[in-house]
Order: sequence, then structure tokens, then C-alpha cells
Amino acid sequence: AQSVAQPEDQVNVAEGNPLTVKCTYSVSGNPYLFWYVQYPNRGLQFLLKYITGDNLVKGSYGFEAEFNKSQTSFHLKKPSALVSDSALYFCAVRAYNTDKLIFGTGTRLQVFP
Amino acid sequence: ETGVTQTPRHLVMGMTNKKSLKCEQHLGHNAMYWYKQSAKKPLELMFVYNFKEQTENNSVPSRFSPECPNSSHLFLHLHTLQPEDSALYLCASSQDKGSTETQYFGPGTRLLVL
Repeated sequence: AQSVAQPEDQVNVAEGNPLTVKCTYSVSGNPYLFWYVQYPNRGLQFLLKYITGDNLVKGSYGFEAEFNKSQTSFHLKKPSALVSDSALYFCAVRAYNTDKLIFGTGTRLQVFP
Repeated sequence: ETGVTQTPRHLVMGMTNKKSLKCEQHLGHNAMYWYKQSAKKPLELMFVYNFKEQTENNSVPSRFSPECPNSSHLFLHLHTLQPEDSALYLCASSQDKGSTETQYFGPGTRLLVL
């Protein structure tokens, strides 16, 4: 069975500092991994995805994520946080040849000025 | 904007009402989805349509009835809902159902059942 874990309900970081939002997954076979962001009263916006190839994936708004197969992780990172990055972040996984996208419970990122 | 629109954005209904949620995508996609988002819970996939055909019903109660008249439009018909059905209902679309495809989400309909 597929599953995604986002171990932190909330991450607090000062503006200008690097940020990391953690995600670990469990699937059979090759995983396809996604990050989405949700701002208040909005739907989910796609940030980036890992399908194959380079383990470091770059996405929108300066975000990147690193696929680590041995640790079954796909942590989201940004070198310098902005107050406007404050939002709810969702990690999602889909196994090869399956239709269902499984989401984590979300991590609220709070960036303080 | 993601190219996926949903109406209404907010809906309050009684348990005996019948209402419908509408989703429209302007991306030329062939697959459309309904999700339910409740507080503190992962997104729950409800229904999947591919080329207007329903391909997944994730054990959703019959008081939720989807309709997909064409690849650009998706409806969710609601009747005799329960208060626990109050949630944010999100529509999404993707080029097709493939495993690597990105799903693009609408802004959601915030539903309150009294």
C-alpha cells in the first residue's frame, strides 16, 4: 500500500533563513513524488515533481526537493524563506502504473519577518 | 490561476436540500477528479473520470453523485447530506490518468451542511 508521511504539523522559520519541509513515502516499485502548496482560501498549486533522473528537482518560486531513495524521502527546500511562502504544503506520491495520488496530511509553514 | 474554475466558492445547505457543484477546466485535459479536504486529514479522492468515463469511485456514499458531460466539465450533485460532509471540495484535472501526470486544482467549494 502507498503512504506518505509529513512528520511536522508546522514549521517555523525566520525570513531569509533556509527552510526544509519533510516528507517520507512508502510505495511498491518506483515512486512518483509531488509537492503542492495551498494558500488560504485557494486550491492546491503544483510546485514540483520527481519522476526520474536527477535526484534534485527544481520547481516554482525558488523551491527544490531532493529525492533520496535509500531514505525514502523527498524533502522540500528553499535557500532563503520569504514571508509570502507561509502556507500549507502537501507532499504526494503515486506508484508506477497506478492512478491514485496519495497525499500527506500537510505541513503548515510559517515564515516570520 | 491554474485554468480550473469551480462554482460556487461557498455553499451552505440544509440536510434536505439538493445542490450541485460545478467544475470547468480550460487546459484541454482528459482526466478530471473530485477530492474532499477536511481539516487535519489527507485529501480524499472521491471520483475519477477519464475521457468522460468514470474510472474510480472511492467508496463514496450515494448521496454524492458525479456527472461528467464532457472532458471540460465535471459536476458533483449533492442530496440529503450530513453535517460531517462539511468540507472543502476540490476539483482537479490532468492531461490523462497516467502515473506521471500532474494534477491541477481548482480553488475549491467550501461546503457547510447544517
